[in-house]
Amino acid sequence: NAGVMQNPRHLVRRRGQEARLRCSPMKGHSHVYWYRQLPEEGLKFMVYLQKENIIDESGMPKERFSAEFPKEGPSILRIQQVVRGDSAAYFCASSSPGLIYEQYFGPGTRLTVT
Amino acid sequence: KNEVEQSPQNLTAQEGEFITINCSYSVGISALHWLQQHPGGGIVSLFMLSSGKKKHGRLIATINIQEKHSSLHITASHPRDSAVYICAVYGATNKLIFGTGTLLAVQP
Repeated sequence: NAGVMQNPRHLVRRRGQEARLRCSPMKGHSHVYWYRQLPEEGLKFMVYLQKENIIDESGMPKERFSAEFPKEGPSILRIQQVVRGDSAAYFCASSSPGLIYEQYFGPGTRLTVT
Repeated sequence: KNEVEQSPQNLTAQEGEFITINCSYSVGISALHWLQQHPGGGIVSLFMLSSGKKKHGRLIATINIQEKHSSLHITASHPRDSAVYICAVYGATNKLIFGTGTLLAVQP
């Protein structure tokens, strides 16, 4: 039973480019959460999604960031026109519908903006 | 004041020592997680607690719901235990709130 998968593991983008981060939840999990860990800072909640629905995006920056979790395929966190301050580790976690507080984390994507 | 506070922020121990990391929180919770993160690495979930005590190998986690406090203990510590240990609570806002982590270094 594969765990939560994220790709790419490392992503380098120049300022102004777009970054797409993917998260495949564990089998049987339909809830996905995205978290950001800025350098030398703790983890912060970004967004909580269920299939085809955004449940809570209160931690997402208002501009340039978006997330989706389509009916088929992985969840995508999209960052448009990246800036240096977007450089961080982005972690995804998933849970099953009945145990939403029991979250399993992926290995993370480390985004570097040059 | 952060909703989740951990202490100490940094901890250095000698191999074999008994280690305790503390977590206090100020919100009502459904569950508390202890997570481990090696430098530049991913996040591993060590424990999820809603009451009492759990043990896994050399690791023990306890929680006191009334006092809003949890502890993570490592017995017979080893250099491979060196990592950041993070406490996170799942509360009424339906999202995990994280402590700032405890950086543990176990010296041989």
